[in-house]
Amino acid sequence: GQSLEQPSEVTAVEGAIVQINCTYQTSGFYGLSWYQQHDGGAPTFLSYNALDGLEETGRFSSFLSRSDSYGYLLLQELQMKDSASYFCAVADSWGKLQFGAGTQVVVTP
Amino acid sequence: NAGVTQTPKFQVLKTGQSMTLQCAQDMNHNSMYWYRQDPGMGLRLIYYSASEGTTDKGEVPNGYNVSRLNKREFSLRLESAAPSQTSVYFCASRLQGLETQYFGPGTRLLVL
Repeated sequence: GQSLEQPSEVTAVEGAIVQINCTYQTSGFYGLSWYQQHDGGAPTFLSYNALDGLEETGRFSSFLSRSDSYGYLLLQELQMKDSASYFCAVADSWGKLQFGAGTQVVVTP
Repeated sequence: NAGVTQTPKFQVLKTGQSMTLQCAQDMNHNSMYWYRQDPGMGLRLIYYSASEGTTDKGEVPNGYNVSRLNKREFSLRLESAAPSQTSVYFCASRLQGLETQYFGPGTRLLVL
């Protein structure tokens, strides 16, 4: 089977940097995705890593180490609108996603 | 370009009733997915369709059936609803070869 672990909640102030770690145990690993979900909303795609290393997209970056079965999402220059749940998800070759339970990020003034 | 649309937005059922959740996408995507999300949890895959004419089970398929009506539409049917199926249901689509899944706004289902 597959499992993903990520922290349940992280709190930080505006302007700070937050790192959300994700460890996974899986077979058929193809890549690691990150999605953001605001309360009551649909998940939206943030980032994807298929190879080891860092992917940067604006204020958000994502990292993957396949040998360590580990990845993280880095949120820089936190803004109030970044308060949301963030999910890591393992993708297989069919595009099927196995999601972690999510990390609630709370940004305070 | 509406993206992924889902109907209805909300539904209340009694145990044993049946219903079909509708999903459509206008992005010419090959693959479509149905997920459920329970409070405080991540999404779990119910069924997926890699391409028109094919469907396959995901992680939690019991109690559900699906139909890939055409390339645009992918419906999810509950034949005999149970309280354990109270959840938020999300449909998603993906263009083959790309990793981004685009999600619909969700259907909030309450089974009494």
